[in-house]
Amino acid sequence: TQLLEQSPQFLSIQEGENLTVYCNSSSVFSSLQWYRQEPGEGPVLLVTVVTGGEVKKLKRLTFQFGDARKDSSLHITAAQPGDTGLYLCAGVGGSEKLVFGKGTKLTVNP
Amino acid sequence: GAVVSQHPSWVICKSGTSVKIECRSLDFQATTMFWYRQFPKQSLMLMATSNEGSKATYEQGVEKDKFLINHASLTLSTLTVTSAHPEDSSFYICSFPGTGATEAFFGQGTRLTVV
Repeated sequence: TQLLEQSPQFLSIQEGENLTVYCNSSSVFSSLQWYRQEPGEGPVLLVTVVTGGEVKKLKRLTFQFGDARKDSSLHITAAQPGDTGLYLCAGVGGSEKLVFGKGTKLTVNP
Repeated sequence: GAVVSQHPSWVICKSGTSVKIECRSLDFQATTMFWYRQFPKQSLMLMATSNEGSKATYEQGVEKDKFLINHASLTLSTLTVTSAHPEDSSFYICSFPGTGATEAFFGQGTRLTVV
């Protein structure tokens, strides 16, 4: 069974601070995705990383895929209250199934 | 990105009744669809894989007779929670896989409350 360990589970920071969320597994994934979910809504895809060692940037968000394609990280620079939400990593396993991490509940205080 | 419409967005029902949730893709077709359940402050748990024209595949521990899935067409899948109980109260979300399995498109979710 493929599992994704996501950490930290909860994170509360002040506006302007930087943060990193980690997603680790003992399994290799063909690709890994990061989602952001608002309360009462479905997850919205932020990015997909496919190549080992790949780095993608989305404004203040930087996503990295490990060389062995077993882990990934999300770094947010100068966090803003609008970044508040549940961040989920997900790996594509067999039969196109997504394996989700447990999520990181981020709160950015003004 | 693709648009997935899930309906209803919330529903309250009495114990013992059945509730149907619809998931429709508005601009693409898919032979496979996934249904997830999410409890408060937790991540998404895959319940079943819906296959167009054939039986759904359920994850371990999910009762197939309680959670009926019908993938009637390439753009529509339904989940029916039969004989609902308060412990079935949860947030149910559908998703369609994107091309090449590099992304998934999620519905808006359905908040089910069984009283």
